[in-house]
Amino acid sequence: GAVVSQHPSWVICKSGTSVKIECRSLDFQATTMFWYRQFPKQSLMLMATSNEGSKATYEQGVEKDKFLINHASLTLSTLTVTSAHPEDSSFYICSAMTPNGDIAYEQYFGPGTRLTVT
Amino acid sequence: GNSVTQMEGPVTLSEEAFLTINCTYTATGYPSLFWYVQYPGEGLQLLLKATKADDKGSNKGFEATYRKETTSFHLEKGSVQVSDSAVYFCALRRSNTGFQKLVFGTGTRLLVSP
Repeated sequence: GAVVSQHPSWVICKSGTSVKIECRSLDFQATTMFWYRQFPKQSLMLMATSNEGSKATYEQGVEKDKFLINHASLTLSTLTVTSAHPEDSSFYICSAMTPNGDIAYEQYFGPGTRLTVT
Repeated sequence: GNSVTQMEGPVTLSEEAFLTINCTYTATGYPSLFWYVQYPGEGLQLLLKATKADDKGSNKGFEATYRKETTSFHLEKGSVQVSDSAVYFCALRRSNTGFQKLVFGTGTRLLVSP
């Protein structure tokens, strides 16, 4: 149980285009989802927290207009990197959390999406 | 503020060697402590956790004991395998209930050779 998927697993896009990454909780309802960014050989940096049906809360230094987050349902959150540039190339990981049941308040992580901007 | 400090890697071991990856933390109150593992090209998987002092988390032969007196949560395994090669992250969360962010250490890469 508590499986989180991400799609796509890797994506290459051209500079100036936008790319959307999906994060889905497959077997539980995720009231809260988190988006992280990981640079090579570094730790995870929390970008934002999204609660279903409300606006995301961004961490300091993360551009809201560049990284658009939508959490429209209890099983889906999306991260859209707008007008991507090579410096946005990174590994993006989502996690999901529910306040219910045995798995309450634990974060379950997706497998990550590798974005390369050329 | 809350923070986690891990030993720098990479840690290079031969198969069947004993593993220790050190982790210390700074936090107010009584945080929950976690070890996550990340295999190449994948997301994080929860390896083990402990929610109060003196608790021992264990999974897949790995163990870590929550030591409040030394603010530590060192990861150990008695006999590593090549398949244990991965990056290990120590993390804390301030509370067991409600929404609390995870605070991660910088990760320690483990390389196990046959």
